[in-house]
Amino acid sequence: DQQVKQNSPSLSVQEGRISILNCDYTNSMFDYFLWYKKYPAEGPTFLISISSIKDKNEDGRFTVFLNKSAKHLSLHIVPSQPGDSAVYFCAASAGGNKLVFGAGTILRVKS
Amino acid sequence: EPEVTQTPSHQVTQMGQEVILRCVPISNHLYFYWYRQILGQKVEFLVSFYNNEISEKSEIFDDQFSVERPDGSNFTLKIRSTKLEDSAMYFCASSGGVDEQYFGPGTRLTVT
Repeated sequence: DQQVKQNSPSLSVQEGRISILNCDYTNSMFDYFLWYKKYPAEGPTFLISISSIKDKNEDGRFTVFLNKSAKHLSLHIVPSQPGDSAVYFCAASAGGNKLVFGAGTILRVKS
Repeated sequence: EPEVTQTPSHQVTQMGQEVILRCVPISNHLYFYWYRQILGQKVEFLVSFYNNEISEKSEIFDDQFSVERPDGSNFTLKIRSTKLEDSAMYFCASSGGVDEQYFGPGTRLTVT
């Protein structure tokens, strides 16, 4: 199931700089997109979401951008902090039921 | 802050045995879900539950699986006869509406 793709398995960023995590999707029926953060041996923690009627949503250091024509979304973290080091999952839903997850991107923020 | 809880954190069982994984969703949530993540793979949807019935299930959720909300607080996943390939992290999630889902810490199921 490749409906949601995160093509970068890992990303390394210096503390204080911007982290940009990318996600592509193929299903045009997706209308709600979410980012989750996950530490080892824990469940995914909800970060931020965006509806398909918007192209940007911001919450503190986290901003999600949605480009529907390109079927692409990204998560920006500014400034990045060492505590942001985790696996980040992109997820999408159509009609608000099941979530379809990407494979995740490991973010390492170096101090 | 309200959170989803799951028990046990780790369950070891022999192939062919029945297991019940338990979840306590966030108290005012109405939608409940089970997902699993096999080691090294994506988080996969298993089933969603609303108004005391299954609203959607995946191909993985075959006759060996069942869900129940036995009382006002618990939500359980039962696997009737476990197989080696059922070994995975099982996550329960809940949501107040058709919006963000909040996940529990997971139960690691090991089938030997």
